[in-house]
Amino acid sequence: DAGVIQSPRHEVTEMGQEVTLRCKPISGHDYLFWYRQTMMRGLELLIYFNNNVPIDDSGMPEDRFSAKMPNASFSTLKIQPSEPRDSAVYFCASRSRYSGANVLTFGAGSRLTVL
Amino acid sequence: KQEVTQIPAALSVPEGENLVLNCSFTDSAIYNLQWFRQDPGKGLTSLLLIQSSQREQTSGRLNASLDKSSGRSTLYIAASQPGDSATYLCAVMYNNNDMRFGAGTRLTVKP
Repeated sequence: DAGVIQSPRHEVTEMGQEVTLRCKPISGHDYLFWYRQTMMRGLELLIYFNNNVPIDDSGMPEDRFSAKMPNASFSTLKIQPSEPRDSAVYFCASRSRYSGANVLTFGAGSRLTVL
Repeated sequence: KQEVTQIPAALSVPEGENLVLNCSFTDSAIYNLQWFRQDPGKGLTSLLLIQSSQREQTSGRLNASLDKSSGRSTLYIAASQPGDSATYLCAVMYNNNDMRFGAGTRLTVKP
């Protein structure tokens, strides 16, 4: 398995533009998580899905952020409109509840810079 | 409030030294605890996972312990190598799938 795949790896955009980050979880994993990492706040959980259904989105900062999981192999995190304070590394992670270890596997991250 | 604290924030040691990284958490009703490694500009790599019913896990030169009653975990690295240089994060998962991360310990192993 190629692991959790995220795209783009790097994105630079201007304030007010729409940003879409993509994630392909590990095949067979039924949980998918979106995290944001900044120097000031560390790693924060934004939202997670179970079997493609959003379970907890209490970490989503505001209405400008939205996430979808249309099928088991794809999820998006959208920011519209983007602001400079959204600059961070966004990680997607997945795991399977059938795995005895419940290990969370992370993607390489998408580094977002909003000018 | 469920908080995870890692001490020290940064650590520099000479090659070959044994070292201990510390993690403490305020809510002991955990589901599991996981140690990750993060290299600069990269994602997180899982090193060890300890279930709430376990007291330790070992993988090669790494040993992680868990003491739920005191809200502590340690990551022991034996015979450190320059390739061990990275940031090590402790993450506590609670039953609601909420995983709380510490801020990490940035380790530098000098040749």
